[in-house]
This record gives sequence, structure tokens and C-alpha cells, in this order.
Amino acid sequence: EPEVTQTPSHQVTQMGQEVILRCVPISNHLYFYWYRQILGQKVEFLVSFYNNEISEKSEIFDDQFSVERPDGSNFTLKIRSTKLEDSAMYFCASREGATKISDGYTFGSGTRLTVV
Amino acid sequence: AQTVTQSQPEMSVQEAETVTLSCTYDTSESNYYLFWYKQPPSRQMILVIRQEAYKQQNATENRFSVNFQKAAKSFSLKISDSQLGDTAMYFCAFSNYNTDKLIFGTGTRLQVFP
Repeated sequence: EPEVTQTPSHQVTQMGQEVILRCVPISNHLYFYWYRQILGQKVEFLVSFYNNEISEKSEIFDDQFSVERPDGSNFTLKIRSTKLEDSAMYFCASREGATKISDGYTFGSGTRLTVV
Repeated sequence: AQTVTQSQPEMSVQEAETVTLSCTYDTSESNYYLFWYKQPPSRQMILVIRQEAYKQQNATENRFSVNFQKAAKSFSLKISDSQLGDTAMYFCAFSNYNTDKLIFGTGTRLQVFP
């Protein structure tokens, strides 16, 4: 079964450093998402992306965050200057688009980001 | 703003027994979707079951079924004949009809014992 692949599975970075989280969505999917989960808290929506532009973003997704689909297969989340509170599990997800929203997403296994 | 509440942080059940996970939500919308996602340890979230709010009939998927009470804004998940492989974190999620952003609850950790 097709999968959404996220790399790395765990990344440790120093506060203030830039970090790029990588995702390879399912090849025929058109809609892409990033969510995050701070330890012990809810999974929170960050951003949705379609047709090479952001379609919706949350208030969490401030100027420190950006997303890109640089080569038609990868979908990346960049955090420019990491803060301690950015430590979380980051999930990438994709959706075919031809199907209804009710069919749901396919999620990746997540990248655990630890900012020290 | 929509919210999703899962009031049971942890649940346990013996293999072959039935367990019900609770979820309530708050919205002023009339058309929306509800989902249950399963997240096994160290693995990705997978969709277990979904319900469209305009459908009165409760969704079922093999051993998984929901009790959707629209007036009460309740969406519980029943797992029948529990199996060891059902051990996971279960998330209830909500999506408006005109957006595909998911709003999640805090999750319920289910442990199935032999």
C-alpha cells in the first residue's frame, strides 16, 4: 500500500538553528499538510498546500515557518530559527483530491523534533 | 471555534472483549465529517472509520462501529472482539464540510491485554 514517507524520524537541533523536515507524499496526491503534536497535547493543524501554494494555515504557522514542494515529489517544512517550544512530533499528510474530504488523509510516521 | 474532546486518556480491555471510546465535539455547523484515527506505537496514523454528519446511519467497518448522536454532539467508537493489534492511541477528529483541516482530540491510549 502506498505510504507517506517522512525523514528523518528524529532530529535534534540547537535553538536558533534552521531545520528542514522532509516528506514524500503519495505520488498521485494533490493536497499536502503538516500537523504537529507537542508531547501530551493535541495534534494541531499547521498548514495545507495545493497547486504550489498555501491554501490554509493556522495561527501557529507564523513567519518562522515555510513550506515548499521543490521538485514535484518532496514536500518540506522549514523552521527558520527554532525555539524550544517547537519541540514536537511533526506529521506530514497527503490526500488524493479526486476523492471527497470524507475519505481522509494518509499520514506519515512523523518526525520527532527536539530543540535543545 | 470547533473543539473535540476525548475524556478518557487511557483505556484497557481484555482480548475478545468490547470497548467503547468516547468523543464529543462542539460546532455550529450542520455539515461536517467525523473520523477516528488509530496510531500504533511508532507508526503513522491510519483512518479507522469516518462518518458524514448528514447520514443518520452509524458507520461500521468490520469490528469497528460508531455511535453518532448529532444532537448530543457525540461520536463514540466501539471496538468489538478486541485484538492485541488494536493496542494504539486513538484520535477522534472533526472536519468542516468546506475545509479539509482536521481538528483532533487529545487521544485515548488503548491497551488490549491477553
